[in-house]
Amino acid sequence: QVQLVESGGGVVQPGRSLRLSCATSGFTFSSYDMHWVRQAPGKGLEWVAIICSDGTKNYNEDSVKGRFTISRDNSKNTLYLQMNSLRSEDTAVYYCAKENDYDAFDYWGQGILVTVSS
Amino acid sequence: QSALTQPASVSGSPGQSITISCTGTSSDVGGYNLVSWYQQHPGKAPKLIIYEDNKRPSRVSNRFSGSKSGNTASLTISGLQPDDETDYYCCSYAGRYTWVFGGGTKLTVL
Repeated sequence: QVQLVESGGGVVQPGRSLRLSCATSGFTFSSYDMHWVRQAPGKGLEWVAIICSDGTKNYNEDSVKGRFTISRDNSKNTLYLQMNSLRSEDTAVYYCAKENDYDAFDYWGQGILVTVSS
Repeated sequence: QSALTQPASVSGSPGQSITISCTGTSSDVGGYNLVSWYQQHPGKAPKLIIYEDNKRPSRVSNRFSGSKSGNTASLTISGLQPDDETDYYCCSYAGRYTWVFGGGTKLTVL
């Protein structure tokens, strides 16, 4: 079955960096676009970033442009999110999500909490 | 881009039907047939229940249905059950490889 498992979260000071990973299995990872979606405590879902299946194109939501970088290693079936210059407003549960053939997110990880605090 | 607009809360009695609206613009909801809906129970990951405005994954109950008119999409849940009480989010492709979510709606089954 399809599985997505995030790791790498934790508590980090403002201005510091963190890298999230999302290990996947149960599907042909290299055939699908992948996303990161986040959810601040008690708030709604917010789309963060997309990377195309072959890794050649990626796009971010405006508030993380220039600070967050999405990447993937198709040989390891793993998705990444490098987060630099972290701010308190980046505090959230971060989900990796697989995109289906119809621009929807059909499988999600369990989520990983990132807390930005001094 | 701005978040899509959903009512903060809706309610209904067991067995009844409810509809949740999701209003965007011609740059997102109205511009593409790519609205999706997600159900999220507390502490859990979201679950896809509708994609491409009105299509339902095979594993999702046919009590859930989607529709769209202009810049407003809607999710209808018929035959309300206690387990339907949770949060629902709409999402739309917004062009140039970006997506936008709604603010979420809390459904209460009275």
